[in-house]
Amino acid sequence: AQSVTQPDIHITVSEGASLELRCNYSYGATPYLFWYVQSPGQGLQLLLKYFSGDTLVQGIKGFEAEFKRSQSSFNLRKPSVHWSDAAEYFCAVGLWGSSNTGKLIFGQGTTLQVKP
Amino acid sequence: GAVVSQHPSRVICKSGTSVKIECRSLDFQATTMFWYRQFPKQSLMLMATSNEGSKATYEQGVEKDKFLINHASLTLSTLTVTSAHPEDSSFYICSATTGSDYGYTFGSGTRLTVV
Repeated sequence: AQSVTQPDIHITVSEGASLELRCNYSYGATPYLFWYVQSPGQGLQLLLKYFSGDTLVQGIKGFEAEFKRSQSSFNLRKPSVHWSDAAEYFCAVGLWGSSNTGKLIFGQGTTLQVKP
Repeated sequence: GAVVSQHPSRVICKSGTSVKIECRSLDFQATTMFWYRQFPKQSLMLMATSNEGSKATYEQGVEKDKFLINHASLTLSTLTVTSAHPEDSSFYICSATTGSDYGYTFGSGTRLTVV
């Protein structure tokens, strides 16, 4: 069955430090992978997505993610975290194919706290 | 860019009443819309997928008679929570896709509180 795992429920980093949020997926076909950010009580904002091509994907707000097929991973990184990055981060896989109409399967989410 | 408008953003209703949530794609035609439910501090769980002009496809465990989804046009989908109870209190989010670029646009969510 398709699934997305974010091993880290909560991460705290100091402002200016680097960040890596982990994401592993399980999907038999070509994965369409996404990272979203959610502020409290808000909808989701797309940070970046991977469909094909270059496995290192650049997104908004200085985020990037690397797709590693051999590890079934799509980890999100940022070289220097800002206090405004504190939020909930979700990794997701989009299911497209004959029996799927593009629904997204989300990971459990990682709460990022940024220390001054 | 693509925008999805979701209303209301917050609603409080009495137990036993029904509540309708609207999701509109403002500048594109959404061939497929999705409805998610999110409990506090938890992930988004897909409730149903709806395509314009056809019946919604519900995920396992979601009561279709309780959560009525209508997708009457390419720009509007509605979720009606019927005979709401306190356990239906949650954050509901819609998203839409045109299907052509494998992209999704999310609404800003609706906080439903049933008292």
